[in-house]
Amino acid sequence: DTEVTQTPKHLVMGMTNKKSLKCEQHMGHRAMYWYKQKAKKPPELMFVYSYEKLSINESVPSRFSPECPNSSLLNLHLHALQPEDSALYLCASSQGAGFNYGYTFGSGTRLTVV
Amino acid sequence: QKEVEQNSGPLSVPEGAIASLNCTYSDRGSQSFFWYRQYSGKSPELIMFIYSNGDKEDGRFTAQLNKASQYVSLLIRDSQPSDSATYLCAVTPGEYGNKLVFGAGTILRVKS
Repeated sequence: DTEVTQTPKHLVMGMTNKKSLKCEQHMGHRAMYWYKQKAKKPPELMFVYSYEKLSINESVPSRFSPECPNSSLLNLHLHALQPEDSALYLCASSQGAGFNYGYTFGSGTRLTVV
Repeated sequence: QKEVEQNSGPLSVPEGAIASLNCTYSDRGSQSFFWYRQYSGKSPELIMFIYSNGDKEDGRFTAQLNKASQYVSLLIRDSQPSDSATYLCAVTPGEYGNKLVFGAGTILRVKS
């Protein structure tokens, strides 16, 4: 299995809703990431989990809450989002901290906040 | 100064030609360098990575790294219309082994 699976693929939510994005990989990778990508912009790092511990938070607003229940799963909990949070949310994984072999990206969740 | 800089393009080349994509980075301690391809509406796909100065070839793709000049490039030989995409250069900053910083990307258009 060489894939990173993200669900759902599309999500429309209101500003008062609570929703979660899910990411799963079974490649034995020990680092997992959340990136946000706006149209015609590069991916921007949000969070890094290394060995199931949060190692980097790029000053992301608290309405985004990451969770890593185990080495294969990564969630992103969403609450009270704003329309400007609409974007493609990408999950990625890599073999681990230290020497970087590059990320494997999931297909993304396209989020629309109304 | 942006950490990773790329010409946004679009870069237009005829089918069968060599496409040359360039990237510069500001952190002299950067360790790893990657090229990703992203089709419109899709997620990035890793094409090549390079760690050492010089050239690295994989099929029609060649990555070139010059750490002294803080410059990395991607050559695509025999360009095909299916190569039309946005090409993202990504760099691992020196202090973070597993963090990737992306450039803004170069749009490549291969005309048949």
